[in-house]
Amino acid sequence: AQTVTQSQPEMSVQEAETVTLSCTYDTSESDYYLFWYKQPPSRQMILVIRQEAYKQQNATENRFSVNFQKAAKSFSLKISDSQLGDAAMYFCAYRGGTYKYIFGTGTRLKVLA
Amino acid sequence: EAGVVQSPRYKIIEKKQPVAFWCNPISGHNTLYWYRQNLGQGPELLIRYENEEAVDDSQLPKDRFSAERLKGVDSTLKIQPAELGDSAVYLCASSLVEGWLNEQFFGPGTRLTVL
Repeated sequence: AQTVTQSQPEMSVQEAETVTLSCTYDTSESDYYLFWYKQPPSRQMILVIRQEAYKQQNATENRFSVNFQKAAKSFSLKISDSQLGDAAMYFCAYRGGTYKYIFGTGTRLKVLA
Repeated sequence: EAGVVQSPRYKIIEKKQPVAFWCNPISGHNTLYWYRQNLGQGPELLIRYENEEAVDDSQLPKDRFSAERLKGVDSTLKIQPAELGDSAVYLCASSLVEGWLNEQFFGPGTRLTVL
């Protein structure tokens, strides 16, 4: 069975600084997607960034980028130039061939002014 | 374009009472997911529909939970009777399956409190 582990329950970052959130996963599948979702206090989850496992190039979306290490089964999220609006819960998620999503336990990100 | 709509947003009931949650997915999305999110945890899949068919309900506690998706659009999730441990946020998500691309869009959730 696939598992997703987020070992950082909470992280803090100063506004305008850079922070990296960690995620590791376990799978025996070769084709899969990895995602980072953001859940602000209002609770609605939104997709931040997605990575296809067959792509070696790390995904980037504006200030958000990932470091995808397939052999190490690691998928970290880097947020550059952190903003107050980035404060939220961040969930790492895995989706394999069954279209079933498996989420980690989340990392609460605090942005300090 | 309207997003995923869920109602009610909040529900407080006493244990052993029934409760139902409703979800209206994004128009045209053929896949619908119900998740349960306990406090401080990530969402856990309860059931996934492709059109009207429940293709993955392995995590649904079938003794007290039931779900339906009539006509492959709206969906209802029911709990009868509710237990204290059912207090959680129930999230609905939908997606349009096109090959491997399967981005989920989430609703705001229903926060259930069982007293």
